[in-house]
Amino acid sequence: AQSVAQPEDQVNVAEGNPLTVKCTYSVSGNPYLFWYVQYPNRGLQFLLKYITGDNLVKGSYGFEAEFNKSQTSFHLKKPSALVSDSALYFCAVSARDQAGTALIFGKGTTLSVSS
Amino acid sequence: NAGVTQTPKFRILKIGQSMTLQCTQDMNHNYMYWYRQDPGMGLKLIYYSVGAGITDKGEVPNGYNVSRSTTEDFPLRLELAAPSQTSVYFCASIPGLAGIRELFFGEGSRLTVL
Repeated sequence: AQSVAQPEDQVNVAEGNPLTVKCTYSVSGNPYLFWYVQYPNRGLQFLLKYITGDNLVKGSYGFEAEFNKSQTSFHLKKPSALVSDSALYFCAVSARDQAGTALIFGKGTTLSVSS
Repeated sequence: NAGVTQTPKFRILKIGQSMTLQCTQDMNHNYMYWYRQDPGMGLKLIYYSVGAGITDKGEVPNGYNVSRSTTEDFPLRLELAAPSQTSVYFCASIPGLAGIRELFFGEGSRLTVL
């Protein structure tokens, strides 16, 4: 069965410092991987995805993520955090041989950036 | 384009009441989904549809029903509301080939069952 783990409920970082939000996954076969962000009382917004190719994926708002097949990880990173990055972040996965089924989401990680 | 539109945004139900959460998308997307979001639990898939007339159960379908008579609309029906159905419900869609394209989400419908 497919699954996604976000081991940290909350990540705290000071503005200007680098941030990392961790995600590990389990799928049979090759994965499609996604990061979404949710601001209070809003729907989820797409940040970036890994389908194939370069392991370092760049997305919206200066975020990037690194796909590591051997560690089955897809950590979200940003070199310099902003207070406005404070939000709830979700990692999601789908297996390539299951096109037509929905994404499986992690439990989410709350990112808090202090000024 | 309005994208994915959900109504109502907020609703309070009494135990045993029924209601329908509406979801409409104007992007001509084939695939549509209903998720529920509970604190600390992430998003759980309730039902999904890969096209008009085709629906299938997700991870947590009990207590819900759906229909897909048109490409645009994918309503979620709660027949006998229970406190366990207190949640935030999200509708989402993609053009096709789920798992390749990113989901477009609605703003959510917050339901409280008392």
